Amino acid sequence: AQTVTQSQPEMSVQEAETVTLSCTYDTSESDYYLFWYKQPPSRQMILVIRQEAYKQQNATENRFSVNFQKAAKSFSLKISDSQLGDAAMYFCAAPLGAQKLVFGQGTRLTINP
Amino acid sequence: DAMVIQNPRYQVTQFGKPVTLSCSQTLNHNVMYWYQQKSSQAPKLLFHYYDKDFNNEADTPDNFQSRRPNTSFCFLDIRSPGLGDAAMYLCATSRPGGGGYTFGSGTRLTVV
Repeated sequence: AQTVTQSQPEMSVQEAETVTLSCTYDTSESDYYLFWYKQPPSRQMILVIRQEAYKQQNATENRFSVNFQKAAKSFSLKISDSQLGDAAMYFCAAPLGAQKLVFGQGTRLTINP
Repeated sequence: DAMVIQNPRYQVTQFGKPVTLSCSQTLNHNVMYWYQQKSSQAPKLLFHYYDKDFNNEADTPDNFQSRRPNTSFCFLDIRSPGLGDAAMYLCATSRPGGGGYTFGSGTRLTVV
């Protein structure tokens, strides 16, 4: 089965510190993208960062970066210098077959001031 | 700005009364999706359209149907809403290749 798994239902971090959210996936696709989305209480799904699987270099967007381990099918998100506005649900997602974007179960991130 | 727009933002419907949710896009993307998201859960794919080709997920209830009259618009019809259908419904679009997905703000459906 093609799945996306986030094993951390909740995480918390002190403001200004670094936190890493984990994600593993299983796919039979040979060329694909991986995504991290942020969903604040307003429920708008906001793209945080995207990784192309054929690229070995890890994607970086300002304070957000990924650790992509293709052989291990692991795709973790690192948030540096955490800010109060980073508090949200974070979903890992992958298009697993025929254009279908599949989401992990989500990680609720709390930022402690 | 190019975007995905869902109307209404909040919808209240009566148990068993048909309801339609709408989604429009200005991105000219080929693929449009409908997701159902219940509280504290991941979005669950209901259907997607690749142009006019309709793709139904195997576990999508028959109570849910969709229409895509043109590239810009897609509708979700719930024929006889039950209490269990109360959820956030998210519309999304993408280009072929899976490199980018854009989501609307969602419609929160309440069934009374």
